[in-house]
Amino acid sequence: SAVISQKPSRDICQRGTSLTIQCQVDSQVTMMFWYRQQPGQSLTLIATANQGSEATYESGFVIDKFPISRPNLTFSTLTVSNMSPEDSSIYLCSVLRGPDYEQYFGPGTRLTVT
Amino acid sequence: AQSVTQPDIHITVSEGASLELRCNYSYGATPYLFWYVQSPGQGLQLLLKYFSGDTLVQGIKGFEAEFKRSQSSFNLRKPSVHWSDAAEYFCAASHRTGNQFYFGTGTSLTVIP
Repeated sequence: SAVISQKPSRDICQRGTSLTIQCQVDSQVTMMFWYRQQPGQSLTLIATANQGSEATYESGFVIDKFPISRPNLTFSTLTVSNMSPEDSSIYLCSVLRGPDYEQYFGPGTRLTVT
Repeated sequence: AQSVTQPDIHITVSEGASLELRCNYSYGATPYLFWYVQSPGQGLQLLLKYFSGDTLVQGIKGFEAEFKRSQSSFNLRKPSVHWSDAAEYFCAASHRTGNQFYFGTGTSLTVIP
């Protein structure tokens, strides 16, 4: 299994500000993913982040709102920009690991926007 | 379009009773299938997975799931539920390339004494 850490674990932010969430993996991985889980909802994929290339965003998510960095094979950041209360969610990063493409998740970052 | 459906939003069972959580998928071909559990305030933990072969797969914490191609289902079962099993359960499917996951909407499990 993969060991994945996220920082911060939770935060309360003001409307209009930005928050950068960090995801650190214990070993090198090719693909990292960022998900959003709104209160009482399932997971929605925001984007796929591959090292050395631009992140690929899913429908409904744009780079200006959710810029992603992937500077190396063990680290990625997601920024939630110009936040509004609708951005209050849990944000999770995940990685694929192993020959069977198992997906492992970080503990999540619980964001509240006031 | 690919999708994963969990028909039961919420299930309540008594401790010690058996459990079955339903999951149906819609895919062009048989996908990889997964069950995850999310305890309150926690991340997602993989319970079990199906890729091929034996259609009854065993997972952690005493859970098992059965893949039924004819019904496009991958239901999760446990013979005797413990209070600590109370959590949110997500079924997921992915293409066999592994780079696109689809999650169901989740089933919230309550366990009563």
